[in-house]
Amino acid sequence: GQNIDQPTEMTATEGAIVQINCTYQTSGFNGLFWYQQHAGEAPTFLSYNVLDGLEEKGRFSSFLSRSKGYSYLLLKELQMKDSASYLCAVMDSNYQLIWGAGTKLIIKP
Amino acid sequence: GAVVSQHPSWVICKSGTSVKIECRSLDFQATTMFWYRQFPKQSLMLMATSNEGSKATYEQGVEKDKFLINHASLTLSTLTVTSAHPEDSSFYICSAREEDRATEAFFGQGTRLTVV
Repeated sequence: GQNIDQPTEMTATEGAIVQINCTYQTSGFNGLFWYQQHAGEAPTFLSYNVLDGLEEKGRFSSFLSRSKGYSYLLLKELQMKDSASYLCAVMDSNYQLIWGAGTKLIIKP
Repeated sequence: GAVVSQHPSWVICKSGTSVKIECRSLDFQATTMFWYRQFPKQSLMLMATSNEGSKATYEQGVEKDKFLINHASLTLSTLTVTSAHPEDSSFYICSAREEDRATEAFFGQGTRLTVV
């Protein structure tokens, strides 16, 4: 079967750095996405990785290792507004998105 | 990025009535649209995939006669929840994909449905 695993909840301090991990087992691979979702809102796109390595975009970076079925989202200089759920999703061979359950990130002052 | 508009943002309806949710791609042609349902503190659950001009493909366990999907044009898909029940109360989200950008999907704002 297809499976996406990510931690349920993480806590970090304002100004610090946090890494959210995601491991996956899917039928084929056409890229891995990270989305941010605030409570009661639709997800917003953060990053897309299809090749191994690190993609940096401002305070957010995303890493992919296809051989390990592993990705992480790195958030630097955390701000209170970063408190949200972070969803990892993999696009399979049929171009369908397989979603993880999301990681709720709590930022403390 | 491309814009997907979903309407209404929230709706309250009585049990037994039907509710229609619209999903529009504003600045691109959406060859494929996806409808998701999300219960509190859970991830998105794909309900169905629709391609313009053809019947929607429903995920296992989703009643096609209850959740009617119409994708009549390249910019509009609708989801109608028929004979709604309180257990249908959920957050419904659409996303749209452009044919030439097969690896990107853009989300609507979501619709909070409450059935009383």
